[in-house]
Amino acid sequence: QVQLVESGGGVVQPGTSLRLSCEASGFFFSSYGMNWVRQAPGKGLEWVAALWYDGNKEFYADSLKGRFSISRDTSKNTLYLQMNSLSAEDTAVYYCARREERSYFNYWGQGTLVTVSS
Amino acid sequence: EIVMMQSPATLSVSPGERATLSCRASQSVRSDLAWYQQKPGQAPRLLIYGASTRATGIPARFSGSGSGTEFTLTISSLQSEDFAVYYCQKYENWPLTFGQGTKVEVK
Repeated sequence: QVQLVESGGGVVQPGTSLRLSCEASGFFFSSYGMNWVRQAPGKGLEWVAALWYDGNKEFYADSLKGRFSISRDTSKNTLYLQMNSLSAEDTAVYYCARREERSYFNYWGQGTLVTVSS
Repeated sequence: EIVMMQSPATLSVSPGERATLSCRASQSVRSDLAWYQQKPGQAPRLLIYGASTRATGIPARFSGSGSGTEFTLTISSLQSEDFAVYYCQKYENWPLTFGQGTKVEVK
């Protein structure tokens, strides 16, 4: 069965960097577009970034202003989100999600919490 | 950028009653719209895609309708497990924007 397991969250200070991971299993990882979605405490869902199914295109929410970078390692079936210059506004649960062909998200991980605080 | 607007923010419904949730897009998204359900402490779960197609395992009491800019999610007879927050999402192009959510609570 399809599984997505995020890791790498924690408490970090403002201005620092953090890399999140999402380990995928149960499907052919290289064939699917993958995304990151975040949810600030008590708030709604915010799409963050996407990696095209072939790994050759990246898409980001405008609000990130170039601070985040999405990538993958197909040999490890793992998706990454590199987050730089973190601020309190980046505090959220970060979910990875598998995108069905150019459409909706049909599988989600359980999320990893990132807290940016001094 | 297309904005997705959901209404109402909160819907108070008694068990067994019908719930009707609305999602409006600022420009046409064709039928490229999904609905998700999220319960506290859980990841979102796909309910509807293509505006009206139920995802695998979703009960028939959930139905979606609409196209273009106006969409509706209907829960025909609310069960206890249906009290949750519901989000719409458009996926016809980037960014893959979510609505702000509708919380369905017990009346």
